[in-house]
Amino acid sequence: EIVLTQSPGTLSLSPGERATLSCRASQSVSSSYLAWYQQKLGQAPRLLIYGASSRATGIPDRFSGSGSGTDFTLTISRLEPEDFAVYYCQQYGISWWTFGQGTKVEIK
Amino acid sequence: EVQLVESGGGLVQPGGSLRLSCVASGFTFSNYGMSWVRQAPGKGLEWISYIGSSSSAIFYSDSVKGRFTISRDNAKNSLYLQMNSLRDEDTAVYYCAKYYSGSGSFDYWGQGTLVTVSS
Repeated sequence: EIVLTQSPGTLSLSPGERATLSCRASQSVSSSYLAWYQQKLGQAPRLLIYGASSRATGIPDRFSGSGSGTDFTLTISRLEPEDFAVYYCQQYGISWWTFGQGTKVEIK
Repeated sequence: EVQLVESGGGLVQPGGSLRLSCVASGFTFSNYGMSWVRQAPGKGLEWISYIGSSSSAIFYSDSVKGRFTISRDNAKNSLYLQMNSLRDEDTAVYYCAKYYSGSGSFDYWGQGTLVTVSS
């Protein structure tokens, strides 16, 4: 089973700053099957990025994904007040899915 | 507009059973795979089960294999999760999620239903 490790656990930033979130896999992951989600308190997760770098429908272009192999990154170019949330990476392994433990982006 | 509405959660004793339902609307349900994903209080997301559009493909995580059964009724646009032999560690919010075909990801999620396993 592939384990996804996200870092940092918490990121303290101010609105307007750039956020860089990391997701590292224990084995190589197909870029086609690496996704990122945003979850706000009390809400369901929302798909942001699929295929490592493709934005989901309605996602602003300040969100971008990159990476390959075992190292993937979610970047938020300029944080808006509504972007403070928990972010999860997720991979698909043909018959199973795994999530990272999450990175919380909080207001500094 | 895609909507997924879960129901059936509640308080159950350890060893007990519960059946969750998820009613879908706003898309052709019979064309898409579906999954259940859960989240224990204050914890991260855990995928637990997937069912293909025609129920021909069914997968479970090791944590629920042999205890939980996923099923669907395409005529009723409904997804189900039969949960047996429930344990304390099954306490979580259970989300149904629509599989984004070919992407390995889930593009729509319900609001979740809380299952509490406690004596």
